[in-house]
Amino acid sequence: DTEVTQTPKHLVMGMTNKKSLKCEQHMGHRAMYWYKQKAKKPPELMFVYSYEKLSINESVPSRFSPECPNSSLLNLHLHALQPEDSALYLCASSQDSNSGRTDTQYFGPGTRLTVL
Amino acid sequence: AQSVTQLDSHVSVSEGTPVLLRCNYSSSYSPSLFWYVQHPNKGLQLLLKYTSAATLVKGINGFEAEFKKSETSFHLTKPSAHMSDAAEYFCVVSALNTGGFKTIFGAGTRLFVKA
Repeated sequence: DTEVTQTPKHLVMGMTNKKSLKCEQHMGHRAMYWYKQKAKKPPELMFVYSYEKLSINESVPSRFSPECPNSSLLNLHLHALQPEDSALYLCASSQDSNSGRTDTQYFGPGTRLTVL
Repeated sequence: AQSVTQLDSHVSVSEGTPVLLRCNYSSSYSPSLFWYVQHPNKGLQLLLKYTSAATLVKGINGFEAEFKKSETSFHLTKPSAHMSDAAEYFCVVSALNTGGFKTIFGAGTRLFVKA
C-alpha cells in the first residue's frame, strides 16, 4: 500500500471557524509533511514531523497548528484563517527524514481549502 | 546552498513527438534529484529519482532523465508524448547541508500536448 489519504477533499470555512485536515499513511513511514500549494506554484513546505516529533516549522503563522497523534496520522488544525490561506494543502510521507537525502516523498491528493 | 531552476515555465508538444523538460540544480553536497508530476487538482506522483547510482534513470510512463554533473542538469525526456502526459512537472533537489536535510522544489513546467 503506497497510498497517502487526506480528508476532506474540499473544505470551505469562514474566518472564525475551527476545522481540521487529516492525513493518514500505512507504509510504516516515520516522516510526515504538510505543504501549502497556491495555484500555478510549487508546494511550499510548512511542517515536518520525524518520529512523531515536530522537526521543521517553516515560520508558519500560529493559526495553523499541526499534530501527529501517532506514526500513521497527521492533522492540521485551522483557526481564524484569512482568505489568502485558501490553497491546496498536501500531505506527504517518507521513510525517515533523518537520512532523508534519498527519501521519496509520497503525496496525498490534497485538501482544497477555501476561506471566505 | 541548494537551488533548482526549471528553465521553461511552459512546454507545448504534439502528440507522438519527443518531450524535453529542462532542470538545472546547484548543491554544495551530493544531491538526490527527483521529478514529480501533478495532474490538475491532484497530489504529486514520483516519476523517477537519481540517488548517485546510474546516471541515466528510467521512470514510469516511459520517462527518463540523465544526471549530468558537469552541466549540473537533470533534464526529463520521453520519446513520444501522449495526451495523458499533459500536466505540471516539478524538478526537486534534496541534499544534506549545514542546516540539515533540505528539499527544494523547482517552479514547475506546464506540459501541453496537442492532438
